[in-house]
Amino acid sequence: KAGVTQTPRYLIKTRGQQVTLSCSPISGHRSVSWYQQTPGQGLQFLFEYFSETQRNKGNFPGRFSGRQFSNSRSEMNVSTLELGDSALYLCASSLGWPLNTEAFFGQGTRLTVV
Amino acid sequence: AQSVTQLDSQVPVFEEAPVELRCNYSSSVSVYLFWYVQYPNQGLQLLLKYLSGSTLVKGINGFEAEFNKSQTSFHLRKPSVHISDTAEYFCAVISGNTPLVFGKGTRLSVIA
Repeated sequence: KAGVTQTPRYLIKTRGQQVTLSCSPISGHRSVSWYQQTPGQGLQFLFEYFSETQRNKGNFPGRFSGRQFSNSRSEMNVSTLELGDSALYLCASSLGWPLNTEAFFGQGTRLTVV
Repeated sequence: AQSVTQLDSQVPVFEEAPVELRCNYSSSVSVYLFWYVQYPNQGLQLLLKYLSGSTLVKGINGFEAEFNKSQTSFHLRKPSVHISDTAEYFCAVISGNTPLVFGKGTRLSVIA
């Protein structure tokens, strides 16, 4: 069974640009969550989707957005990139929502904003 | 809102010595608790979880954790660590409809 797949693994973008990250969950999983990981702030929750509907949203500005497709794949978008957006972005998938068992994480997309 | 406190940001320990990584969570009626491990440039891997039942939970790689409701703690232990256990460890909690909330992490360094 394939794990959670995040693409791309690495990205370098310039301030002011926008970026789209992709996450393919484990087959059969219908819930996808996104986290931002930085050395200073640790793992911070961005948003959570189940059945194409956003179920929870973290405390991030509107520049951060996401969506989930009918095949459960998810994308997140960051517009008008800032240096502080440099981070490891992690996606997690789980069977359902609310979460009542473990979440499985992808290897992440490392975004560097220059 | 739920919160998780990992009391130690860094824990150095000699190889083959025991280790305990501490985790406390804010109280709630019903919680699920998790420990994840992260190796450099990797995602998070589940070590163990407490959903219900026995308060002593055994996980992969010889780790175990004990759920203590009265002290709102979920400390992670291993009786004898190896060099390969060097990594960052995250405690996480979920309750009701809330998303998974993580602690700040504990960096375990095993010294030969």
